[in-house]
Amino acid sequence: DGGITQSPKYLFRKEGQNVTLSCEQNLNHDAMYWYRQDPGQGLRLIYYSQIVNDFQKGDIAEGYSVSREKKESFPLTVTSAQKNPTAFYLCASSSRGLEQYFGPGTRLTVT
Amino acid sequence: GESVGLHLPTLSVQEGDNSIINCAYSNSASDYFIWYKQESGKGPQFIIDIRSNMDKRQGQRVTVLLNKTVKHLSLQIAATQPGDSAVYFCAETLNNAGNMLTFGGGTRLMVKP
Repeated sequence: DGGITQSPKYLFRKEGQNVTLSCEQNLNHDAMYWYRQDPGQGLRLIYYSQIVNDFQKGDIAEGYSVSREKKESFPLTVTSAQKNPTAFYLCASSSRGLEQYFGPGTRLTVT
Repeated sequence: GESVGLHLPTLSVQEGDNSIINCAYSNSASDYFIWYKQESGKGPQFIIDIRSNMDKRQGQRVTVLLNKTVKHLSLQIAATQPGDSAVYFCAETLNNAGNMLTFGGGTRLMVKP
């Protein structure tokens, strides 16, 4: 069953802690993306990776970090430097076609 | 940078009626457009796409219209059903932009039974 998985679906953390969100895809896609979505808002690009071992900042990269050591995996770390980390985080991937396929999302709540 | 779409408005329709969701884009060089559907608490799902060399494309119960003259994109849903209730996003890109999409703010569609 091909697709993109994100885990966990819900995540709770205390302020000041770093937290890593998982994103895995078995679609053999080269490119992967992380977006942040706030309630009633659109998607904002955090980081993206067009190929293994390479990634670029998106529009709101401050307070986040990523790695792309494997084609299938693109984990996102929300650091304590992110001032307002509570949000819905979406991972996506794409191949040569322009369409991006999205995972189910992780809802992060930081208190 | 240039942006696509509107702030999040809400469209309320009666079940069985047709729905039209609109999107304005500002980058006249954009050559590929996608409509996504996002149900509450889930990731966006691809609905339909259209390239700039077309002005209309039809899918199952959905039609996308592209008017390049006024930089306007619309999604028409025929015989709207309760399961169509969701937020709909348009997205644009350039063919040479390396798969980067610019998303609009979305429109919430509410279907009344």
